[in-house]
Amino acid sequence: DGGITQSPKYLFRKEGQNVTLSCEQNLNHDAMYWYRQDPGQGLRLIYYSQIVNDFQKGDIAEGYSVSREKKESFPLTVTSAQKNPTAFYLCASTTRDSGANVLTFGAGSRLTVL
Amino acid sequence: AQSVTQLGSHVSVSEGALVLLRCNYSSSVPPYLFWYVQYPNQGLQLLLKYTTGATLVKGINGFEAEFKKSETSFHLTKPSAHMSDAAEYFCAVSGSRGSTLGRLYFGRGTQLTVWP
Repeated sequence: DGGITQSPKYLFRKEGQNVTLSCEQNLNHDAMYWYRQDPGQGLRLIYYSQIVNDFQKGDIAEGYSVSREKKESFPLTVTSAQKNPTAFYLCASTTRDSGANVLTFGAGSRLTVL
Repeated sequence: AQSVTQLGSHVSVSEGALVLLRCNYSSSVPPYLFWYVQYPNQGLQLLLKYTTGATLVKGINGFEAEFKKSETSFHLTKPSAHMSDAAEYFCAVSGSRGSTLGRLYFGRGTQLTVWP
């Protein structure tokens, strides 16, 4: 079945370390997104990419970086510059063919900074 | 610009009772509107969406929502709650014509508790 795979599911990091969250999709979707979820704050957009080798900052991009070298893959790096990285991270994708901006989400990665 | 306000961060109902989750939006262009559901430690699943046409939209699991342009609302309802409906619900808006593909703005979420 087609879908989005995020890994790892749970990740622990020491302060000052960079970590990379993986997001892979086999839906042949053009656009991919990273959202951050904190309790009571909903979902906030970190970065998005509409085509390979191109990406744009979302609302809270500081302290994060991404790459889009392949259509299927959109990894997110949480750098040591991110002041409060403990959160639930969600990857999503869509295509113009889906109509009306319907996003498909992965199961998420929970990052905890020790 | 688009934004979403979900009234009530927590809603509790008894099993079999009406579920009403409130969502108001602001949008500078004709909106697309969505409700997503999230179970603990999982991603979001689409419940229903409004694009154009009929303002009463039916979704999965017996949920429906009505787009009311004059009230800028898109409230989610279900006539009879089931224990399995306990989850967090998110309302989201995007622009329609000319908007960035997939650029959604989410509300803060409403946690639904269903009592037996």
